[in-house]
Amino acid sequence: DAGVIQSPRHEVTEMGQEVTLRCKPISGHNSLFWYRQTMMRGLELLIYFNNNVPIDDSGMPEDRFSAKMPNASFSTLKIQPSEPRDSAVYFCASSFGIGYGYTFGSGTRLTVV
Amino acid sequence: DAKTTQPPSMDCAEGRAANLPCNHSTISGNEYVYWYRQIHSQGPQYIIHGLKNNETNEMASLIITEDRKSSTLILPHATLRDTAVYYCIVRVERGSTLGRLYFGRGTQLTVWP
Repeated sequence: DAGVIQSPRHEVTEMGQEVTLRCKPISGHNSLFWYRQTMMRGLELLIYFNNNVPIDDSGMPEDRFSAKMPNASFSTLKIQPSEPRDSAVYFCASSFGIGYGYTFGSGTRLTVV
Repeated sequence: DAKTTQPPSMDCAEGRAANLPCNHSTISGNEYVYWYRQIHSQGPQYIIHGLKNNETNEMASLIITEDRKSSTLILPHATLRDTAVYYCIVRVERGSTLGRLYFGRGTQLTVWP
């Protein structure tokens, strides 16, 4: 198993541009989570899905952020328009369900200049 | 969710046991204790979790006090590759907060030769 796959690994973009981060969860996992990590705030949960349905998006910072999970094998996190304060490492994680740990991807390091 | 308190940093000699404490005095009866670690520049890695009983796997042991207000993660023979930030998390397994993991600041464990 290749684990949770995130792309791109690194993204540098200019302020105002749209950014799309991608995640492929582990096959068979029915829960998917997006986290953001910064030095100031640590690891923050942005949103999570169960069976492709968004369950809790209370961590999404603003309307500029949106996430979708069109099927069990793919999810996207979009930022439009991006701002310098969005610079962070964004992690995707998946889980088999209740009582199981999460498996995290390697993250996408986003830099907005 | 119950909050956890961990020392910001600890160190340990290679080959010795590393004992990482965690206080969770407000833990509820249906909250599990989870441990994750994050090696620099990587995504967090699941280590172990438990509810009441002590648990052991190939990575570590988890000791939970009888009143469940604190726990200790034990790495029996620490190696240099165990240098990482270790997160202690409590998580509800049922209800509206199902699935969410909230990470605090964790403990930076440094294993020295």
